[in-house]
Amino acid sequence: GESVGLHLPTLSVQEGDNSIINCAYSNSASDYFIWYKQESGKGPQFIIDIRSNMDKRQGQRVTVLLNKTVKHLSLQIAATQPGDSAVYFCAESLPGSGTYKYIFGTGTRLKVLA
Amino acid sequence: DAGITQSPRHKVTETGTPVTLRCHQTENHRYMYWYRQDPGHGLRLIHYSYGVKDTDKGEVSDGYSVSRSKTEDFLLTLESATSSQTSVYFCAISESQRNEKLFFGSGTQLSVL
Repeated sequence: GESVGLHLPTLSVQEGDNSIINCAYSNSASDYFIWYKQESGKGPQFIIDIRSNMDKRQGQRVTVLLNKTVKHLSLQIAATQPGDSAVYFCAESLPGSGTYKYIFGTGTRLKVLA
Repeated sequence: DAGITQSPRHKVTETGTPVTLRCHQTENHRYMYWYRQDPGHGLRLIHYSYGVKDTDKGEVSDGYSVSRSKTEDFLLTLESATSSQTSVYFCAISESQRNEKLFFGSGTQLSVL
């Protein structure tokens, strides 16, 4: 996952617009990726996952895109709503390493403007 | 939060005192994990369990111990709390240890003064 300082990068989006949150993962061999949403004072909430044999996966209002060439993962949120305001972070897993070795990014804060 | 309860939700303690955090799940998942979350870091694994009485160390296990006497309960103990252990602690569960989503509890905010 991306390495950032104490201040999270922030993405401000107008309500109703689409949001794109990016994650540069660290290892080209990683074969499984997860996006989490974390609201203030709450635990991380699973959004969507994708395996390395896929380039794209869609969920309800969300799409994850995987570009293995440049080790980049993105989360697209359609028609962003106030309830989408949160910190979003990605996790990656190396082949054969299992859940014990997940690498978590520090995240991006999404602010939805009314 | 997927049937995961962490207690307490908030704790303030003094340096040198023992602290135990509890994680209780109702999902009957085999795998349980303790993470800490600090500014500037992604979630870091402290300890995990792959069954009753089966536990192992994670990335940042120094100063922590765990126990799992029942499938549903996973305890994290700080034998002698230090200020560097001030953090937010999350419990997580999963059905398997292969590429699999983790479900997290609501967290415990621990302050060591």
